[in-house]
Amino acid sequence: GAVVSQHPSRVICKSGTSVKIECRSLDFQATTMFWYRQFPKQSLMLMATSNEGSKATYEQGVEKDKFLINHASLTLSTLTVTSAHPEDSSFYICSAGRRSNQPQHFGDGTRLSIL
Amino acid sequence: GESVGLHLPTLSVQEGDNSIINCAYSNSASDYFIWYKQESGKGPQFIIDIRSNMDKRQGQRVTVLLNKTVKHLSLQIAATQPGDSAVYFCAEISAGNNRKLIWGLGTSLAVNP
Repeated sequence: GAVVSQHPSRVICKSGTSVKIECRSLDFQATTMFWYRQFPKQSLMLMATSNEGSKATYEQGVEKDKFLINHASLTLSTLTVTSAHPEDSSFYICSAGRRSNQPQHFGDGTRLSIL
Repeated sequence: GESVGLHLPTLSVQEGDNSIINCAYSNSASDYFIWYKQESGKGPQFIIDIRSNMDKRQGQRVTVLLNKTVKHLSLQIAATQPGDSAVYFCAEISAGNNRKLIWGLGTSLAVNP
């Protein structure tokens, strides 16, 4: 069964809305989770590394004020897309792994559509 | 960046045939490699992994081969089935990269009945 749960699976909202996406590790504690963005027919692009109890580490070119990450517990990380615009429409995916030398498990993604 | 926005290559095979998906990885210091399968509208699903101290690892119907000399990774799927149709990504982890995954471009596998 799934070990990483992501919610919601799909969001459609108006431009200017802020959208929160949750990522939960179901049967293990994850001090680190990862957030990705994926465009159609492309590979995953790492946006940021979410660190439990501390600030997220953002990849170059990703606006931290636009994509707010909170990792307040060992089983939950959230990504908030603030004041979303149509160009933020994408497929957002989170992942977590039990240990750094073990495979990451992925949520089923969130399809975000901004009108 | 660690992934490039290019269109995915496609591999088309007949049901029952064996499939071989190839991947060239970027960092000779990478010590852990993973193959993921991604179906449409879903997140990547772990298939098989291999560490740099091995050159071959087998799972159920899948085999991963690692050639460190030429930095090449392959995934072999035996007796390919329609349910194997998906996009396959290789990913590498370097010891000195904060254990972030570095993704390959992906290959779209289409299985013809």
